Amino acid sequence: AQKITQTQPGMFVQEKEAVTLDCTYDTSDPSYGLFWYKQPSSGEMIFLIYQGSYDQQNATEGRYSLNFQKARKSANLVISASQLGDSAMYFCAMRERNTGNQFYFGTGTSLTVIP
Amino acid sequence: DADVTQTPRNRITKTGKRIMLECSQTKGHDRMYWYRQDPGLGLRLIYYSFDVKDINKGEISDGYSVSRQAQAKFSLSLESAIPNQTALYFCATSDAGRTTDTQYFGPGTRLTVL
Repeated sequence: AQKITQTQPGMFVQEKEAVTLDCTYDTSDPSYGLFWYKQPSSGEMIFLIYQGSYDQQNATEGRYSLNFQKARKSANLVISASQLGDSAMYFCAMRERNTGNQFYFGTGTSLTVIP
Repeated sequence: DADVTQTPRNRITKTGKRIMLECSQTKGHDRMYWYRQDPGLGLRLIYYSFDVKDINKGEISDGYSVSRQAQAKFSLSLESAIPNQTALYFCATSDAGRTTDTQYFGPGTRLTVL
């Protein structure tokens, strides 16, 4: 079974609008971390935001927030006030304590911001 | 200077050639990883190392080997390259033990096998 599922291969959003990128995960470990990374066309992987399994509040980092719904095992990334520079691939990832803190990545979502 | 560096950044080689991709880090992390990225498949783990004496196979280790020469250096080798190993390769590091710690990625090596 896939540890991380991203069901949106491609998304479009109008500049200045908000967009939600979906991520669901599969784990029986009570201790895990969820991460989002951005990969622009230049190729590098940029860490955006982190959510811990025991965190009571949703993580936020500037225009990025993570909508963490533990019971549904979802960790959606919300980007507010989209900018042209947000056009990129976005990857969701999970780190579990039980598996020696290995990382598992989803297949990514390609976001295009339309002017 | 970048915390995680990879050399070469781009490489074109021919089928059957041996090739080595190198990774160095200045973050002082014990854990290092090699991934390959293919369109539509995300990042897949090739090998990972928790310290110099601890090397483990990942999801897709066939056709690859690694060497952890020091805490800061982790090399990936393709003994006899084949065209379906054409991909973007990433090295990454992380601190040990905590689920809170992110991975730090190198800039990637774009490998083409003709």
